Amino acid sequence: SQQGEEDPQALSIQEGENATMNCSYKTSINNLQWYRQNSGRGLVHLILIRSNEREKHSGRLRVTLDTSKKSSSLLITASRAADTASYFCATDAIGYGNKLVFGAGTILRVKS
Amino acid sequence: GAVVSQHPSWVICKSGTSVKIECRSLDFQATTMFWYRQFPKQSLMLMATSNEGSKATYEQGVEKDKFLINHASLTLSTLTVTSAHPEDSSFYICSARPAGLGYNEQFFGPGTRLTVL
Repeated sequence: SQQGEEDPQALSIQEGENATMNCSYKTSINNLQWYRQNSGRGLVHLILIRSNEREKHSGRLRVTLDTSKKSSSLLITASRAADTASYFCATDAIGYGNKLVFGAGTILRVKS
Repeated sequence: GAVVSQHPSWVICKSGTSVKIECRSLDFQATTMFWYRQFPKQSLMLMATSNEGSKATYEQGVEKDKFLINHASLTLSTLTVTSAHPEDSSFYICSARPAGLGYNEQFFGPGTRLTVL
């Protein structure tokens, strides 16, 4: 299986705290993407980081990518209750024909 | 922009019946659409890649005769679950990749929850 792993599987924090989620993958990639999924809903694209990039920011989101370790992290700063959701990383692997391979996901709960 | 819709959003059917799920890209053309299945508390698993005007490519372990995919236009792909059984109950999500995009970004539909009794 090419599916990556994410940790932690679940994370519970207080509003205002930062949340960090990690993703590891197995193959060489073109890019890595992070998505959010609210319970029972579709996926919302958060951010895409290319293999030649090391860090990217979007609002309260900060994504890092370490291709030597085949890992990425998503940091959500100053979390809000509305950030409660599942977060998935997805890799666009080289030679895998434009398919995305999703990690197992992290369930984030932000308590108000 | 880049909105993908799915219809229906949920469906309940009896075992043995067939169910068709539509995936539409509303404001862009998609030469490629993807179908995923997601079981409760699990991640998305790719079922098949649907290319406009050609046969779908199925992932290993996915029965092509059970999950029929048609991608008849640049804005519509359909997934038909034939002779559905309770074990097919799941959340089915499609995504669409805009034509001519230089990188692989996919836009996801809201999903269809299928319950087979």
